[in-house]
Amino acid sequence: DTAVSQTPKYLVTQMGNDKSIKCEQNLGHDTMYWYKQDSKKFLKIMFSYNNKELIINETVPNRFSPKSPDKAHLNLHINSLELGDSAVYFCASSQEGTGGRETQYFGPGTRLLVL
Amino acid sequence: AQSVAQPEDQVNVAEGNPLTVKCTYSVSGNPYLFWYVQYPNRGLQFLLKYITGDNLVKGSYGFEAEFNKSQTSFHLKKPSALVSDSALYFCAVREMGQTGANNLFFGTGTRLTVIP
Repeated sequence: DTAVSQTPKYLVTQMGNDKSIKCEQNLGHDTMYWYKQDSKKFLKIMFSYNNKELIINETVPNRFSPKSPDKAHLNLHINSLELGDSAVYFCASSQEGTGGRETQYFGPGTRLLVL
Repeated sequence: AQSVAQPEDQVNVAEGNPLTVKCTYSVSGNPYLFWYVQYPNRGLQFLLKYITGDNLVKGSYGFEAEFNKSQTSFHLKKPSALVSDSALYFCAVREMGQTGANNLFFGTGTRLTVIP
């Protein structure tokens, strides 16, 4: 069973379009995350979200918005896509509550290419 | 402020030889330290972490890492490298007691190539 899954695996779209990436975890975790990995493989946190709190990295443009229909899902919606949004987006999850020692488990990634 | 440095972009090692991938960190308080591996076109896989206790941590696939507080390092090691270990390795740090976004900082990654 896949612990953290993402769809689609690949996404090719035109500038200006709106798209969503879906993430689901079956680990029973209470916190989910979105990361962006750029062309140089640098990983940067975008959001973390649990039932109580959404924490947004201040450098993330407001065209990006996480949406969580339930505890097991955290989707990423992107409005007005730009060329610079091309990257690999990773979803992750963890069970928080004990001060940060928890491991984050990552999905396989979604490769977004904006043309 | 928290940060992680992986000083080597690329490490090459011959199959069967020991390997080391370096990581140093900077946090205000006590750190939690993690190593992840990324195979081509795959997500990050957790290898091991240091939380507290024994400074030598053993993880998946025969990897281990040693926490050195005085040198603020957490180098990843393996006694005998395999060709299948070739991948991109990320070190990450989290400051004890913090939760939420912006609290797990990744290094820039080190590409390990094991030469047959």
